[in-house]
Amino acid sequence: DAGITQSPRHKVTETGTPVTLRCHQTENHRYMYWYRQDPGHGLRLIHYSYGVKDTDKGEVSDGYSVSRSKTEDFLLTLESATSSQTSVYFCAISGIAGGRGDTQYFGPGTRLTVL
Amino acid sequence: GESVGLHLPTLSVQEGDNSIINCAYSNSASDYFIWYKQESGKGPQFIIDIRSNMDKRQGQRVTVLLNKTVKHLSLQIAATQPGDSAVYFCAVWAGGTSYGKLTFGQGTILTVHP
Repeated sequence: DAGITQSPRHKVTETGTPVTLRCHQTENHRYMYWYRQDPGHGLRLIHYSYGVKDTDKGEVSDGYSVSRSKTEDFLLTLESATSSQTSVYFCAISGIAGGRGDTQYFGPGTRLTVL
Repeated sequence: GESVGLHLPTLSVQEGDNSIINCAYSNSASDYFIWYKQESGKGPQFIIDIRSNMDKRQGQRVTVLLNKTVKHLSLQIAATQPGDSAVYFCAVWAGGTSYGKLTFGQGTILTVHP
């Protein structure tokens, strides 16, 4: 998985609770991404980061926030989890050279269930 | 916006056969294309990529063909093995001057029968 770890790998939580997922990379790649994967929707981009403290929204960012205080760590936070956020979450990294047109490499995923 | 589709949601082949998985895209400005393999319970794994200045690229047992005229790409797997059973996604990077994004297809389920 290209030196990418995600934690936790599985989590069950209740509606309304905050949840933070962590992505850690050892590749020193500049770009990091959070996706969610749902049946019938494929992979959809939540947020991405193009450097330390530099982040931007993806196509499904509502209800999610991110932070990147170090090159190697990208955190995804659900401030108040809802059942619609039950999904599998993947972190990806790319690009020592830059994000556009670079291959993205994925982590193993976190399966989140919101009851 | 970009839409990415797959012609067949499932594909079943016999071990040793060649497999062809297809993908259509809509944005003629798309300039980078990737194929991923995803096994059950794992993250997508990079297989092969191709840029818009190429029509064909080969890897180990895999070939990607790009037809920009009809906005179609395909992944060919030679001598398919049971270990090739997985979901295969195409992903397309939209062109443009601003930061683009990777758009993923829904995936084709490839099943290889021994």
